This record gives sequence, C-alpha cells and structure tokens, in this order.
Amino acid sequence: KQEVTQIPAALSVPEGENLVLNCSFTDSAIYNLQWFRQDPGKGLTSLLLIQSSQREQTSGRLNASLDKSSGRSTLYIAASQPGDSATYLCAVAQGNEKLTFGTGTRLTIIP
Amino acid sequence: DAGITQSPRHKVTETGTPVTLRCHQTENHRYMYWYRQDPGHGLRLIHYSYGVKDTDKGEVSDGYSVSRSKTEDFLLTLESATSSQTSVYFCAISAGRERGTDTQYFGPGTRLTVL
Repeated sequence: KQEVTQIPAALSVPEGENLVLNCSFTDSAIYNLQWFRQDPGKGLTSLLLIQSSQREQTSGRLNASLDKSSGRSTLYIAASQPGDSATYLCAVAQGNEKLTFGTGTRLTIIP
Repeated sequence: DAGITQSPRHKVTETGTPVTLRCHQTENHRYMYWYRQDPGHGLRLIHYSYGVKDTDKGEVSDGYSVSRSKTEDFLLTLESATSSQTSVYFCAISAGRERGTDTQYFGPGTRLTVL
C-alpha cells in the first residue's frame, strides 16, 4: 500500500526567504506526483504535476522536483510572500486514476 | 476555476439519518471522486467514478454509496449517518490520462456534522 509522508507538519519562515517542502512515498511505481495548495476552509488548488518520466516542473516562483528511485519530491518556493501561507499537499498517482495524499505541511510566512 | 459545485456546503444531522451530498460539474470530465478530509489523516478516497454508472470503491468506502446517472452529477449517500462520518467532504474531477492530463480539480467542500 502506498504511503505518502510530508515532513515537517508545520513550517514558519520570514517573508522573502526561499524554502523547500518535502514529500516522500514508499512505492516508486508511480504515474505522476502532484502538489496542491489548500487555504483554510477551502478546497485544493493544483499547483504542479510532474510525470514519472520528468525530473522537475516550474511555475512562476514554484519549482517541484521528483526523484522516483528514492521516493522523494520537493517543492521549492522562491522569495516567499505572506500570500504563500497555506497548507501544501503532495499526492501520487499509480496505475489507476486514483491519488494517495500526504497529510500536508502548514506553511506560515511571517511578514 | 474548474466548474465544480457541491451542495449543501454545510449540514448538521443526527445519527441514523440518511444524508446525500451532491457534486455537480460543468467541465464534462470523465472522472469524479469523493474524498473526506480529517485531521491527522489527510484526504482519503471514498469512491470514484470513471463514467456514467461506472463506480468503484476507494480506501474508506464502508458506510457510503455513490451514484452517477449523468456525466455532470456524482452523489454520495450516507445510508445511516454515524458520528465517525463527521468530516469535510470534497468532490474532485479529472479529464483523465486519455485526454492528456489527470490533474484533479477540487470543489469547495461540504462540512458535515453528525450529532
């Protein structure tokens, strides 16, 4: 059974700093890995999707990397802003169309 | 934003009563999903659908049933609600890999409280 872990569960950093969020998974036979953002009381917003054949994806200040063999992904956020404060979740897709989610990292950017 | 709505957005009910949650999409996507989100557990898949009248169980399907009679609607039913089903329920949709992407798009959620 696939298990997805995100450490730390919570992270606080000063505004302007670069930061890295971590995601690990136990079964490397994945189809893709997705990063989502969730604001309090809201649904999830897709940020980046990395196919298993890719090493990284970039969108604006966000960069996600994937090392399938080691079962790890990172989400890099450059020049953090207070508006980046949210919970970030990673999820992996396997042979079917279903996702397995991590429990998330709650990020707080301190002005 | 993807055209996904959930109704109701909030509901309080009593143990033993039936409850139906509705997910409606305007994107004509093939795949639809129901998740629940609980502290310490993250999002867990309840049921999903890969087409009209085609559904399958997820990780935590006990006590839940689903139906999809039209592409745009996916219903989640709690036949006899229990306090352990107090949660936030999210619907998601996906076009699927055959359409070139399986990014999932989420609805705003339904907060269900079972007393």
